[in-house]
Amino acid sequence: SQQGEEDPQALSIQEGENATMNCSYKTSINNLQWYRQNSGRGLVHLILIRSNEREKHSGRLRVTLDTSKKSSSLLITASRAADTASYFCATDKNTGNQFYFGTGTSLTVIP
Amino acid sequence: GAGVSQSPSNKVTEKGKDVELRCDPISGHTALYWYRQSLGQGLEFLIYFQGNSAPDKSGLPSDRFSAERTGGSVSTLTIQRTQQEDSAVYLCASRRPANTGELFFGEGSRLTVL
Repeated sequence: SQQGEEDPQALSIQEGENATMNCSYKTSINNLQWYRQNSGRGLVHLILIRSNEREKHSGRLRVTLDTSKKSSSLLITASRAADTASYFCATDKNTGNQFYFGTGTSLTVIP
Repeated sequence: GAGVSQSPSNKVTEKGKDVELRCDPISGHTALYWYRQSLGQGLEFLIYFQGNSAPDKSGLPSDRFSAERTGGSVSTLTIQRTQQEDSAVYLCASRRPANTGELFFGEGSRLTVL
């Protein structure tokens, strides 16, 4: 399976702290994406990083990609209670058509 | 519509009944995906449609599952003779043409098989 695996499965932090989530995958990819899912809702795209990129920023989000280790990390800085959600990484096959999602990290930010 | 629309949002059915779940993608999006998410789990790929090409059905868990996409727009996922293990949230997503990423998801259809 090419499914990614997020680590940790659950993370609880205080508001204002940084949250780091990791994703590992198994085969070569074109790009890797991170999505957020609030409880009972659909997934929302956060950021995409291409296989030839090593780091990308978007607001309070920072994503890194290490293709040699087949891993990525998502850093959320200065967390807010509203960041409480599940976060998933998604990888594609080289064809770029199928997307495989990990099992997710459940983040709780305590006000 | 502005986003991906799925219906019904909730469906409760008895074991052995057939169910149909509908997805209306964003206008102009040529790619459409169905995923299944069991409670507290990740997303399991089911099927992928791209334009007029033959769909990628490699994720369908059994022959009780089928999907079609009429006119390159609305898609219906059909589950025949439902089983309790089919209980899950079924998520639909669409993607712009010539786009290498960013799936736009609907809110999902929660299926409960009693």
